[in-house]
Order: sequence, then structure tokens, then C-alpha cells
Amino acid sequence: DTEVTQTPKHLVMGMTNKKSLKCEQHMGHRAMYWYKQKAKKPPELMFVYSYEKLSINESVPSRFSPECPNSSLLNLHLHALQPEDSALYLCASSQEGAGTVGGYTFGSGTRLTVV
Amino acid sequence: QKEVEQNSGPLSVPEGAIASLNCTYSDRVSQSFFWYRQYSGKSPELIMSIYSNGDKEDGRFTAQLNKASQYVSLLIRDSQPSDSATYLCAVKMTGNQFYFGTGTSLTVIP
Repeated sequence: DTEVTQTPKHLVMGMTNKKSLKCEQHMGHRAMYWYKQKAKKPPELMFVYSYEKLSINESVPSRFSPECPNSSLLNLHLHALQPEDSALYLCASSQEGAGTVGGYTFGSGTRLTVV
Repeated sequence: QKEVEQNSGPLSVPEGAIASLNCTYSDRVSQSFFWYRQYSGKSPELIMSIYSNGDKEDGRFTAQLNKASQYVSLLIRDSQPSDSATYLCAVKMTGNQFYFGTGTSLTVIP
């Protein structure tokens, strides 16, 4: 079991669909992240939510939009995706702040397939 | 130059041998270093963190850090087939930015 919970674990969606990936952490961490990982590649950062501020990797297309309802939730809304967006989507959290040195805790991931 | 570099492998070792995984990083002021294990189709799992020069041991795993050489390594003693996975080196750099290496694929042969 992980302390970062992602749902759903698998998702198949058409290119005209709208769906959402959900992520929740119960560790009181101050920062949450969304990563995209293609096969045999390292995770690529998409979004960071830290200290109530959202940072966006400018290379991420607008068909991905994050939403942070509160400090323990970071959702990812998907709209009009392309087949090349098929990947493993990873949510992570960390205890950010001056002097913190800890690493990330990852959720179990959502395997997304766009058809 | 990439921020974090690893040999992609694949690295193959016989069961019971020592597996040695290496990583170099570009930001000289980095303070936090991590090794993640990732099984195929699964999410990364933190197995070691190291913050000071020298060695840190945890069971069969030893992380080694040399900040002067900007080098961090992971040794796996008595390698088991269940250790077969991709190992990601991650470095927390200036501004709390995390950078991952491309990962090293390890296969332990029974």
C-alpha cells in the first residue's frame, strides 16, 4: 500500500473524451507533482503544486490541466488527448520547504491508453 | 550536458554477485541524492537516500556519495532475481528541483 493514492489504475479513453486522474496524499506533505513516463524513459515533470502555487512545465500541452482542490489533492484533467499521450502517469508528494532534504513518495500510477 | 547521467545498461549479473550502479550529476551544490527501483509497469519505489559523503548501508544495499567528484553509486550485494528492475538515480538540485537519470536496467541471472 502507498500513502499516495491514485485513481484509476488503468484508463482507456477516446480522443474526444474528457476524463480526470485523481491523486491524494495523507502525509501532510506540502508539495505534489504530476509526472508522465513513457516506456523505458525516466519520469518527466508536468506540474508542481507547492505552497499553494502551481508551476507548469511549459512543454506540457494545454489538453492537460491540473486542479488542486486542497493541499492533499492534485487532480489532472484530460481533454482531447492524442494517442502519443498514452503513458504511465505518476503522482508524487514531498515535504518541501527550506532545509528539507527528503525524496518523493510516488503513487502506484495510472496507465493511460488513448485510442 | 544532462543534469543527471546514468549508464542505461542493460547490466547483467549472476545471482549472488554484487551489482554496481553509477550516476553523475551536474549541480555541484546538490545536497540530496536518491535511488529508486522501478519494476516494469510499476511506479518508482525509494530504496536509498544519501546526503553526506561516504557510504550508507541498508541491508544488501549500499549507497556511496562523492560530492567532489559529483558521483553517487548504488551497490547491491548478494543480488537476487527479484532485484531485476530499472534503477533510477534522482538528485534534488538548487531550488528543490528533482532531476532523474534515464535509469539503469539490471537483470540478475539465476
